Amino acid sequence: GAGVSQSPRYKVAKRGQDVALRCDPISGHVSLFWYQQALGQGPEFLTYFQNEAQLDKSGLPSDRFFAERPEGSVSTLKIQRTQQEDSAVYLCASSLSRGTQANYGYTFGSGTRLTVV
Amino acid sequence: TQLLEQSPQFLSIQEGENLTVYCNSSSVFSSLQWYRQEPGEGPVLLVTVVTGGEVKKLKRLTFQFGDARKDSSLHITAAQPGDTGLYLCAGAGITSGTYKYIFGTGTRLKVLA
Repeated sequence: GAGVSQSPRYKVAKRGQDVALRCDPISGHVSLFWYQQALGQGPEFLTYFQNEAQLDKSGLPSDRFFAERPEGSVSTLKIQRTQQEDSAVYLCASSLSRGTQANYGYTFGSGTRLTVV
Repeated sequence: TQLLEQSPQFLSIQEGENLTVYCNSSSVFSSLQWYRQEPGEGPVLLVTVVTGGEVKKLKRLTFQFGDARKDSSLHITAAQPGDTGLYLCAGAGITSGTYKYIFGTGTRLKVLA
């Protein structure tokens, strides 16, 4: 596609519910990133894929968070047993470049705003 | 852990005023990017600075990379309401022991008409 597409745009989950957030990167982009952004703050790194390989998941806050990119294109971020502290905007970004150097920046989707009640 | 600290955190100014946003780190970056983010949208890349001392201009926005490549600034001349948004610097560096792309703490700018 022309840009990075994320769905849903908004998600309200009851505490304890599982959620799945989808990211469609730009076609042909090798690298895909997930970030978590609290209101008014800068995005915080969650995880990084190069094609289908998850090369860095050091930012995932707990084992309730899981991400996959099985065919090297679409990615899903899954959060199990959601907690109120999981409420945030989840951003996906993709890049034509390999690795995290990103001298030319990343292209971001519009994000999914998750609210856990 | 490598951090990017931005200042000020919040800025509210009148249309036509000038302003400068700062992005500082104790570590060297090979490049830094500046993004602007509007409510409900993802960050949009404005510029990349690569060379120490480099100055880039984008209409009324002037970006500078420090000589030592540890800091950067964004200067806006004659701010307009359309400049309102969250400004973020970002770069690749070491955080929590691994090399990753990190964002600054953000500067929220509001330009009043």
